[in-house]
Amino acid sequence: NAGVTQTPKFRVLKTGQSMTLLCAQDMNHEYMYWYRQDPGMGLRLIHYSVGEGTTAKGEVPDGYNVSRLKKQNFLLGLESAAPSQTSVYFCASSYSEGARGYTFGSGTRLTVV
Amino acid sequence: AQSVAQPEDQVNVAEGNPLTVKCTYSVSGNPYLFWYVQYPNRGLQFLLKYITGDNLVKGSYGFEAEFNKSQTSFHLKKPSALVSDSALYFCAVRDRSGTYKYIFGTGTRLKVLA
Repeated sequence: NAGVTQTPKFRVLKTGQSMTLLCAQDMNHEYMYWYRQDPGMGLRLIHYSVGEGTTAKGEVPDGYNVSRLKKQNFLLGLESAAPSQTSVYFCASSYSEGARGYTFGSGTRLTVV
Repeated sequence: AQSVAQPEDQVNVAEGNPLTVKCTYSVSGNPYLFWYVQYPNRGLQFLLKYITGDNLVKGSYGFEAEFNKSQTSFHLKKPSALVSDSALYFCAVRDRSGTYKYIFGTGTRLKVLA
């Protein structure tokens, strides 16, 4: 059971570079989410999707874009990376709106220098 | 505004002793409540949830949580701590208004001492 798979696991970017984080789930979940985790701040929602072809902004969407072209994949893009985007990024998915809980990936540690 | 508070950054407990990790929330209506655990370099893992019904909820690895509506709390408990329980614990709440998102607490690091 793969669950939620995130790639890459680690990445170092220079300020201004771009990159895409990939999240893939094999549970046929409708809902997918991108969070960032920073010390002392818990998890904050960046963007989320309630189904293929849909996306919506979360708490901290600035500087990020997302796409959900296929139900199983949710991509997070950074167009021009900034040091403030240094964080650990988690993808999650859920059956329906999450009343049963979320399944999380193992995270991507991103450092922007 | 909706919020979740975990008042303790760290909780230390001796192995074999009972443990409590505190969580209080402020959400309109009757929320869904969750606890997740995060081990080093791993994603969050679901422990347990409260949707409705019995105020004492049992979850994975011997953990349980007590929902107290009057105190708006959802404390995580375990009768006898293990060293392997040492991890970061997150409380999360979701309202029932259909906003499709959780609010997470800032996390409490549990350290179980041998």
